Amino acid sequence: DAGVIQSPRHEVTEMGQEVTLRCKPISGHDYLFWYRQTMMRGLELLIYFNNNVPIDDSGMPEDRFSAKMPNASFSTLKIQPSEPRDSAVYFCASSPIGPHEQYFGPGTRLTVT
Amino acid sequence: GQQVMQIPQYQHVQEGEDFTTYCNSSTTLSNIQWYKQRPGGHPVFLIQLVKSGEVKKQKRLTFQFGEAKKNSSLHITATQTTDVGTYFCAGGSNYQLIWGAGTKLIIKP
Repeated sequence: DAGVIQSPRHEVTEMGQEVTLRCKPISGHDYLFWYRQTMMRGLELLIYFNNNVPIDDSGMPEDRFSAKMPNASFSTLKIQPSEPRDSAVYFCASSPIGPHEQYFGPGTRLTVT
Repeated sequence: GQQVMQIPQYQHVQEGEDFTTYCNSSTTLSNIQWYKQRPGGHPVFLIQLVKSGEVKKQKRLTFQFGEAKKNSSLHITATQTTDVGTYFCAGGSNYQLIWGAGTKLIIKP
């Protein structure tokens, strides 16, 4: 069974550009989480969805960040406009049973120059 | 707000020595989970503890959940090079998951 799939794996963009990160959760998992990881701030929960509905977006840094889940098998995290401080590894995770036993994707390493 | 403190931040051990990381929560948890992240990799779920005083073992790894459900530990016996990585605890509370900062296990050459 395929795990969580994320694309792209690496993204390099210039400040001011729009960035879209994609995630396909494990089939049958009703919960989807977006995280950001940096050396300085560690692993931060940005937002999570249950049955495609955003439940907690209190971790979203600011209005430049937005996340959608149009269906059970796809989610996007968009940053517009991007800034150098957004450089980080962004993980998507899914779970069948809420914020427990989360299965992480390989991550997208974002570099904003 | 709710916090989960994890110590130490780093631990250097010789191969074959034991390793322990500790997590302490400011509030009572409904469960505690442990994840391992290898260098350059992603967090991988190891185990979840739910009951007060629960102890679970996975080969050389021993996980404990405190009686008050506010602290937990992960102990690795006789570390091997494959154990290298960062170990995170994550406490479940009020349908949230609160992550510790992680303990990085480094094996001395």
